[in-house]
Order: sequence, then structure tokens, then C-alpha cells
Amino acid sequence: DIQMTQSPSSLSASVGDRVTITCRASQNINNYLNWYQQKAGKAPSLLIYAASSLQSGVPSRFTGSGSGTDFTLTISSLQPEDVATYYCQQSSSIPDTFGQGTKLEIK
Amino acid sequence: EVQLLESGGDSVQPGGSLRVSCAASGFTFSSYPMSWVRQAPGKGLEWVSAISGSGGSTYYADSVKGRFTISRDNSKNTLYLQMNSLRAEDTAVYYCARRVLSTGRTFDIWGQGTMVTVSS
Repeated sequence: DIQMTQSPSSLSASVGDRVTITCRASQNINNYLNWYQQKAGKAPSLLIYAASSLQSGVPSRFTGSGSGTDFTLTISSLQPEDVATYYCQQSSSIPDTFGQGTKLEIK
Repeated sequence: EVQLLESGGDSVQPGGSLRVSCAASGFTFSSYPMSWVRQAPGKGLEWVSAISGSGGSTYYADSVKGRFTISRDNSKNTLYLQMNSLRAEDTAVYYCARRVLSTGRTFDIWGQGTMVTVSS
């Protein structure tokens, strides 16, 4: 199975800050990397697919980059509504695997 | 509106069985592969099982292989997960999710989840 490693596991930042979360795959997954946002008590929702494509309806302050084994999710200007846990997921091969999550809080 | 609605979650004893369901609406259900993803309390996301649009192909995580069975009834727009020989470690919120192949095989739509608790 492909292992996904996210960092950091938690993050506290101020409103307006630029925030970066990284995700590393244990082997080449090309661009089969997706990012999800999960707010407390809710289901996950898709933010970024195919490493860098923004899902419809997602604010443009979210961007994704990377290919191969190393990927990043960036929030250009943190907003209060961005408080959530963020997960990366590889869809290159079954079983799909997720990173352990990054819990983002407002400082 | 595209929607997935899970049901059937309950509290069961270890070794017991349970079937959870996921009703789909707002899209052509048979055109999409579907998956179950679970989340244990306070933990991360774990993919459990997947099924092709026709139902002819199924896939399972090693942790549930031989105990869980995924199926679908395209005439009823409903996805199922039959869970047998349940263990404490199966306690989780179970989400159904739609797989979109054209966007890198993402899970683009998720249900709200149904809670399964395995405890004596």
C-alpha cells in the first residue's frame, strides 16, 4: 500500500497568514493527489483534485501543487472559516490511502 | 441537488452483523463507482471498500476483507455495506462517497455519515 505522510499534524496561524501543508507519498503517484477539508462534526469535502485543480465552489485562496511524491496545499490568506482538519489522499492505486490529517486552528 | 444519505448505523455487540445503506439522488447513480470510507472516533479517514458502477467489480481494505460485503442496487439508487463478524475496531462513522474518474478518481460527493458502534 502507498503510505501518505502529512506535516505538520497541527498548525496554529493568524487570520491573513499564508499557510502551507505538505504531503509526501511513499512512491510515485504522478498527480493522483487530492485534498479534503473536514470541519468539526461534518463530512469531508473536496478542495483540490489532481494535485492542483480547484474544485468548483472552493475559494481561490486554496492552491495545490506538486507531482510525483511531494505535494503542498497552500492557503494564501487564512480566514476564520478555514478552521478544519485537512487530509491528502492518493488515488493512484487501490487501496486509496489518506494522510493522517493536519488540524488547522486560528491563533 | 446531488446528494448521498446514509442510514442504518447502530450499536451492535462484537461478532454481530449490520447493514448500512446509502441512498443517492440528483445524478445517474449507475454511472459512478462508489466507495465506503470510515473514521474512528478522533481518528483519520480510512478507505474501506469500493464498487464499480455496474457492481461487477468490488474491492476491500485488508482490515475488512472476508467480513464486509459491498453491493449496490442501481434500480433503487442505493449502495450497501454488509458488515459481519464486527469487532470493536470497526467502531466508526461510515461515509459513502462518489468516485469521479474524470478528475483523477476523486471522491467528489460525500454523505453525512452513519455511526456504527461495536461494544458489549
